[in-house]
Amino acid sequence: DSGVTQTPKHLITATGQRVTLRCSPRSGDLSVYWYQQSLDQGLQFLIQYYNGEERAKGNILERFSAQQFPDLHSELNLSSLELGDSALYFCASSVWWGGTPSDTQYFGPGTRLTVL
Amino acid sequence: KNQVEQSPQSLIILEGKNCTLQCNYTVSPFSNLRWYKQDTGRGPVSLTIMTFSENTKSNGRYTATLDADTKQSSLHITASQLSDSASYICVVSAGTSGTYKYIFGTGTRLKVLA
Repeated sequence: DSGVTQTPKHLITATGQRVTLRCSPRSGDLSVYWYQQSLDQGLQFLIQYYNGEERAKGNILERFSAQQFPDLHSELNLSSLELGDSALYFCASSVWWGGTPSDTQYFGPGTRLTVL
Repeated sequence: KNQVEQSPQSLIILEGKNCTLQCNYTVSPFSNLRWYKQDTGRGPVSLTIMTFSENTKSNGRYTATLDADTKQSSLHITASQLSDSASYICVVSAGTSGTYKYIFGTGTRLKVLA
């Protein structure tokens, strides 16, 4: 158990809908990262927040948005869902912003999103 | 274009044997290179993290090497166990000044047989 929690574990929805994925980082970690893992594309970095502020952006679509709240939990919002958005969405956390070599990222168990 | 390529795509070995997984990257500016182990359907678990100046890093039976000149890394697994069956993913961080992006390889799927 990494100490990172994600809810829900599974989510099934229809095209065009909007969903929110939630992540609680390990106690004491200030950074939260979101990743998408699909069968055909592997793991892709979406976005990182550090202490409430966006720190780095990867291949995140405009239909997706995220935020980190004062209690450091984070939410990933996915809207206008398409079939291709079906994937495992992982959240990870680390103590610092990722700039130090020893800044290990701890991954949560993931949320499996199925868009029908 | 920032890319990370891993080989082989898949590998089958017998329990107790050693194996080496490869990672080649074209990423700039390079910050660090990480190896992760991912069991099917679960989140990745960090094995090693290496910066530009580090040539080798060990974590138990896992030893990673980095050649920054040739932009190659390898992960060596010694005396493999059934529990080593998993995907191994190489990730290179690109960026400076605390703002980084993470480029993932597609992974090597390892199967250890009894």
